[in-house]
Amino acid sequence: EDKVVQSPLSLVVHEGDTVTLNCSYEVTNFRSLLWYKQEKKAPTFLFMLTSSGIEKKSGRLSSILDKKELFSILNITATQTGDSAVYLCAATSYGQNFVFGPGTRLSVLP
Amino acid sequence: IAGITQAPTSQILAAGRRMTLRCTQDMRHNAMYWYRQDLGLGLRLIHYSNTAGTTGKGEVPDGYSVSRANTDDFPLTLASAVPSQTSVYFCASRELAEGSDTQYFGPGTRLTVL
Repeated sequence: EDKVVQSPLSLVVHEGDTVTLNCSYEVTNFRSLLWYKQEKKAPTFLFMLTSSGIEKKSGRLSSILDKKELFSILNITATQTGDSAVYLCAATSYGQNFVFGPGTRLSVLP
Repeated sequence: IAGITQAPTSQILAAGRRMTLRCTQDMRHNAMYWYRQDLGLGLRLIHYSNTAGTTGKGEVPDGYSVSRANTDDFPLTLASAVPSQTSVYFCASRELAEGSDTQYFGPGTRLTVL
C-alpha cells in the first residue's frame, strides 16, 4: 500500500530559527514529490521534485529529494511568524495517484 | 479568474440526508479530484476524474459518488450522510501534462453530519 510519512507531526520554534521537515514515501511507480503549505484553508503549492540531489529554492525555503533513500526534506531558514502553517508532502505515481502525508504543523513564535 | 470554487463553504447536515458538494474550475484543467481532510490523517483521495466523462475511485470512495459531465464541474454527492463523513472536503484540479503534477485546491467545504 502506498504511503507517505512526515516528521515531526508538530514543531514549535522561535522567529529566526531554521527548521527541517521530513517526508518519507513508499509509492509504486514513483513520479514526483510535492510540498504544499496550508494555512487556514486550501493548500498552496511550494515545490515539485522529480530528480535526486537537485535542490529547489524559493526565498528562505528549499527542498531536496533522495530517490534512493525515498525521502525529501523541506528547509526553512530565518523563520518568521508568517511561516506558521501545516506543511504537506505528497508523492505521485505514474498511475496518477496522489498520496498525502499527515502534515507537519509548524508554529513560529515571535 | 476565480480558479477553483467550492460551495457551500460549510454545512450542517442531519444523518441520512442527501448532500451535493459543488466544485467548479475555470482553468480548463483535465483532471479533478475530491479529498477529505481529517485531523492526523492528512488529505485522502475520495474520487478523481482524468477527463470529462470519466471518473475513478480513490482511497476512500465508499458513501460518495461523483460525475463529470463537462470539464469545469465535478460535484461530489453523499447519498445518505453518516456522522463519519464529518470532515473538510477539498476539490482540486490539475493539467494532465508531462512535468505538471501541481494540483490547485479550492477553499474547502466544512461538512458536519449530526
